[in-house]
Amino acid sequence: VQLVQSGAEVKKPGESLKISCQGSGHIFTNYWLGWVRQMPGKGLEWMGIIFPGDSDTRYSPSFQGQVTISADKAINTAYLQWTSLRASDTAMYYCAQQSDAYDFDYWGQGTLVTVSS
Amino acid sequence: SYELTQPPSVSVSPGQTASITCSGDILGDKYASWYLQRPGQSPFLVITQENKRPSGIPERFSGSNSGDTATLTISGTQTMDEADYYCQAWDSTFWVFGGGTKLTVL
Repeated sequence: VQLVQSGAEVKKPGESLKISCQGSGHIFTNYWLGWVRQMPGKGLEWMGIIFPGDSDTRYSPSFQGQVTISADKAINTAYLQWTSLRASDTAMYYCAQQSDAYDFDYWGQGTLVTVSS
Repeated sequence: SYELTQPPSVSVSPGQTASITCSGDILGDKYASWYLQRPGQSPFLVITQENKRPSGIPERFSGSNSGDTATLTISGTQTMDEADYYCQAWDSTFWVFGGGTKLTVL
């Protein structure tokens, strides 16, 4: 199983952004795929999760309305999207696949998003 | 919202046993797992929610979960175990991470 994320991004406040996470080596549509934020020098924060098979999506209350999680099962890819970035969105973002239980057994390499004027 | 509390730091001498705790309301009734993260790397799972080790994780890592506390135990700690450790639980609606514990081996 591999999760490959899109490359680092440098954006200005107010800009939009969509980062991706492509899975391979497994049946992508059969497992929940989560997104995790890690701000500089800080801990892990669960943002939300999607089931690519039917696009059922759940959001952490802290991120509801701030980001959009989506998936394209035809290309085994999940997305994390912002419509208007803020400096406080500067962070590393990881995608992670949920196991048959409720933990995350495969992780992407991370996408560094830097928002600065 | 559900919260998990970890000590910010734990220190251990090489070869000794390190214990890292994670506290949450009735955590023993939920599913707790543990992740290791080295600087500049992605986290990876070291103890599953069934308190098992994924393939490739050394036997010195073990986990327990009862009452309000889950514990990650590293027996015979090695210098390579120096890292940040995070607990994680599922509270039937949301997934939650603890704040993380920096394990120093010295």
